[in-house]
Amino acid sequence: EDKVVQSPLSLVVHEGDTVTLNCSYEVTNFRSLLWYKQEKKAPTFLFMLTSSGIEKKSGRLSSILDKKELFSILNITATQTGDSAIYLCAVEEGGSEKLVFGKGTKLTVNP
Amino acid sequence: GAGVSQSPRYKVAKRGQDVALRCDPISGHVSLFWYQQALGQGPEFLTYFQNEAQLDKSGLPSDRFFAERPEGSVSTLKIQRTQQEDSAVYLCASSPDWNYGYTFGSGTRLTVV
Repeated sequence: EDKVVQSPLSLVVHEGDTVTLNCSYEVTNFRSLLWYKQEKKAPTFLFMLTSSGIEKKSGRLSSILDKKELFSILNITATQTGDSAIYLCAVEEGGSEKLVFGKGTKLTVNP
Repeated sequence: GAGVSQSPRYKVAKRGQDVALRCDPISGHVSLFWYQQALGQGPEFLTYFQNEAQLDKSGLPSDRFFAERPEGSVSTLKIQRTQQEDSAVYLCASSPDWNYGYTFGSGTRLTVV
């Protein structure tokens, strides 16, 4: 039933660990997949992915999309306590401007 | 302004009361979206405007929900006769174009008591 499924739903790690967050999707007319970080209320934009196999990087964060297997991963290396947040994955369908979000992964990074 | 501005930040309404939530998008952003985020859930789409035209309102949960953007900039989401299930964070987002992602506001947390 859910079009966008994220896993795990929550994750607790220690500072310095590397984490991989997963997002699988099922839409009929895929246009793009987006990752957001939500710390308090406003989700902040991380990446937009439209093409398979091309890694996007921003500092310690990186993400890649597999359009054949219908999933994306978000990697965070050398985690810091400031990475603690909910990470949201969303998919945009062609012909519609709206985003369909997953439930998010709550990441907690302990010192 | 530099970002998407929403007001009020918090709203407590008695059941049955009407509320109006305001969104001031980034200047020049053509697209404006409203999302509803219940506790522990991802945001869910409510409605979408391109300039002043409401192109998609398929996510509005009932006819008690109404949104407008009369001059193609500021938007208002109105909820009539609020119910407890309307309690959520209401997020507004704007975008210059689909290829640029969306910038979200900090949201309005509505609590219906």
